[in-house]
Amino acid sequence: GDSVTQMEGPVTLSEEAFLTINCTYTATGYPSLFWYVQYPGEGLQLLLKATKADDKGSNKGFEATYRKETTSFHLEKGSVQVSDSAVYFCARSNFNKFYFGSGTKLNVKP
Amino acid sequence: DAGITQSPRYKITETGRQVTLMCHQTWSHSYMFWYRQDLGHGLRLIYYSAAADITDKGEVPDGYVVSRSKTENFPLTLESATRSQTSVYFCASSDRSGNTIYFGEGSWLTVV
Repeated sequence: GDSVTQMEGPVTLSEEAFLTINCTYTATGYPSLFWYVQYPGEGLQLLLKATKADDKGSNKGFEATYRKETTSFHLEKGSVQVSDSAVYFCARSNFNKFYFGSGTKLNVKP
Repeated sequence: DAGITQSPRYKITETGRQVTLMCHQTWSHSYMFWYRQDLGHGLRLIYYSAAADITDKGEVPDGYVVSRSKTENFPLTLESATRSQTSVYFCASSDRSGNTIYFGEGSWLTVV
């Protein structure tokens, strides 16, 4: 069936390190792809999205490119900050149903 | 811009009690969803609704009941709470385009 798989955490990095969180999906058709971020005690917030192949979503220094050939949507940031510490969820949507990965916790140390 | 509001934010209840979690959105979005978040499982869809009076089951509907008599409200009821239903519950909504889903702040439910 349709699913979203993302790398397990936690991921621990030092400030200014490069971040990659892998995400792959299986789906019928051409889903839209998303990254959501959840800060402690809060709901999920949209970080970025891409709606078709080769689109790049970007926001707050984070980027992800919709790769149809590898069915991937990996999240990257060139230089993380302590304030980026959160749980990151990859998601896809088809026909208004949204499916989420299990989340990857990121800890950034000063 | 109120967005999505959930109530109560925190609730402790006893096994066997009925509990209703409320969800209200101000955007007139067609679609509304209930998810539960558990460690190791991420977000799992309980129920969703495409419009008023239209609801459908998600991945984990057992033990839950929903209704949607008005577009803006989507309450979730646990008819007889069990300890396995201790979780964080998130309500969400999206418009017909399905381009983005918006979440409420969550309801922390503990069943003792």
